[in-house]
Amino acid sequence: TQLLEQSPQFLSIQEGENLTVYCNSSSVFSSLQWYRQEPGEGPVLLVTVVTGGEVKKLKRLTFQFGDARKDSSLHITAAQPGDTGLYLCAASGGSYIPTFGRGTSLIVHP
Amino acid sequence: DAGVTQSPTHLIKTRGQQVTLRCSPKSGHDTVSWYQQALGQGPQFIFQYYEEEERQRGNFPDRFSGHQFPNYSSELNVNALLLGDSALYLCASSGQTSYFNEQFFGPGTRLTVL
Repeated sequence: TQLLEQSPQFLSIQEGENLTVYCNSSSVFSSLQWYRQEPGEGPVLLVTVVTGGEVKKLKRLTFQFGDARKDSSLHITAAQPGDTGLYLCAASGGSYIPTFGRGTSLIVHP
Repeated sequence: DAGVTQSPTHLIKTRGQQVTLRCSPKSGHDTVSWYQQALGQGPQFIFQYYEEEERQRGNFPDRFSGHQFPNYSSELNVNALLLGDSALYLCASSGQTSYFNEQFFGPGTRLTVL
């Protein structure tokens, strides 16, 4: 069973600060997705990374896939209250089914 | 373009009862997956339906069953409800054009078992 470890589990910061959250595993993945989930809602896909070392940017969010395709990071620049939510990583090996981490719960205070 | 829809949004049941949750996939998608998300946890895979058959199943007991209809919509049935079944149940759809197993989620059904 593939296991995804996300850290930190909780993060509470002030508006304007930068932050990085991590997703790690001992397994190699063919692809990895990041999702954001707001309370009472389903997760919303942010990005998919598939190539080792790949970096993708989505406005103030920067996603990186590790060279060995075992880990990933999400960096947010100048966080805003609208970034508040649960950030989930999900990765796929050889099956159709992605495995999800437990998530990082982010609160950005105005 | 309609996204994934789920019904009902909230449900309260008592132990031992049975429940049916419903999901309509995103337009153009033919594969439906069901997940259980307990408070403070990531989604846990229950099973996936494709071409009206269960294609893959996670580590959930037989009390959890499902069905997919010819229009690709799906139902999740849970029998003999336990207190521990209280969770957010998420439906996700994907299709032949989905990029690397990307899942498009519905808003979920919040099930409370008393």
